[in-house]
Amino acid sequence: AQSVTQLGSHVSVSEGALVLLRCNYSSSVPPYLFWYVQYPNQGLQLLLKYTTGATLVKGINGFEAEFKKSETSFHLTKPSAHMSDAAEYFCAVMDGGATNKLIFGTGTLLAVQP
Amino acid sequence: SQTIHQWPATLVQPVGSPLSLECTVEGTSNPNLYWYRQAAGRGLQLLFYSVGIGQISSEVPQNLSASRPQDRQFILSSKKLLLSDSGFYLCARSPAGAGELFFGEGSRLTVL
Repeated sequence: AQSVTQLGSHVSVSEGALVLLRCNYSSSVPPYLFWYVQYPNQGLQLLLKYTTGATLVKGINGFEAEFKKSETSFHLTKPSAHMSDAAEYFCAVMDGGATNKLIFGTGTLLAVQP
Repeated sequence: SQTIHQWPATLVQPVGSPLSLECTVEGTSNPNLYWYRQAAGRGLQLLFYSVGIGQISSEVPQNLSASRPQDRQFILSSKKLLLSDSGFYLCARSPAGAGELFFGEGSRLTVL
């Protein structure tokens, strides 16, 4: 069965510093991987996704993630944090089959310090 | 537009009362629909999903039920709420076949 582990439930960075949010997955099939962002009391917004092809995926708001099969990882990065990046971030893997179910990690709350 | 409407946005209910949360999607036919619950510190838990009218799959045995009376309507219900039912409920859709999930704005339920 597919699963996702997000290391670090809370990450704090300074404005302008590198953002690195870690995600490792377990999947018995080639994975479809996703990063979502959630602002307080809102739904989830897709940041980026990996399905096939290029392993470095660029998303919205300057974020990108790299699929590394050998490490079973899909870490999210942004070169320079902005105050508006403060939110909760969820990594997810798609379950196999036609149901398109997403299995989510427990989330990482990103704080950006001025 | 492929909008997802959820209501009510906020709900405070006493223990033992019934529940009905509604989700309606626009702009797409025959979507897969999902109910997720988000509880503090526990990430997102898939509760139910539906691949068509009247077709409901339950992921976690619990106090809740779901129904899909129309192609674009997904309802989450309970006959008697428990304190542990408190949380943020998110409806999501995806097109039939491979694709990411799109989420509604959520319904926050507090059971007292």
